[in-house]
Amino acid sequence: QKEVEQDPGPLSVPEGAIVSLNCTYSNSAFQYFMWYRQYSRKGPELLMYTYSSGNKEDGRFTAQVDKSSKYISLFIRDSQPSDSATYLCAVMKTSYDKVIFGPGTSLSVIP
Amino acid sequence: DTGVSQNPRHKITKRGQNVTFRCDPISEHNRLYWYRQTLGQGPEFLTYFQNEAQLEKSRLLSDRFSAERPKGSFSTLEIQRTEQGDSAMYLCASSFKSPPEAFFGQGTRLTVV
Repeated sequence: QKEVEQDPGPLSVPEGAIVSLNCTYSNSAFQYFMWYRQYSRKGPELLMYTYSSGNKEDGRFTAQVDKSSKYISLFIRDSQPSDSATYLCAVMKTSYDKVIFGPGTSLSVIP
Repeated sequence: DTGVSQNPRHKITKRGQNVTFRCDPISEHNRLYWYRQTLGQGPEFLTYFQNEAQLEKSRLLSDRFSAERPKGSFSTLEIQRTEQGDSAMYLCASSFKSPPEAFFGQGTRLTVV
């Protein structure tokens, strides 16, 4: 079993839609949870980082972590064509540990 | 530019040749990571440094791969006797101890022909 799993998509939505992206992880020792956005042929770009369970909001983006079910979500409100990218969830056990990535979900927002 | 810098951006090499990539992290960051990414996959961890100490190496990192970070500044990743399976994007990231977010460079795309 992989440590972090994501539905690879592709996911296609119309502009303005609410997008829900999800990850599951296998090890309850993970404490730090991150979402990265990666455009084609570019390095990943950090969107949000959360410690432990709970919600975090930044503009149109909301990250949720449910440690009881080992489930991580990213919601994008009022999606824009510029949001078209691959979204990678990532986890860490401690702030001194390596970052472990999921395989990514490809998102297309259609104008 | 204060981000993570990787050079070269692209490298084409013949099978069996050695290649070396360089990463310059964000200046105050003490941690540096190397990842490998193939098409349609997330980045796979290869190794990471805290200052000049190499703290962990993935089982993916065969004996042909070596990484260094002299004086805790820039880092190099060398691949000896390259194979076609080494073709991938090699990503470098750096972070500070708190908060722990890793910031990535643009990557070096290696093609082995």
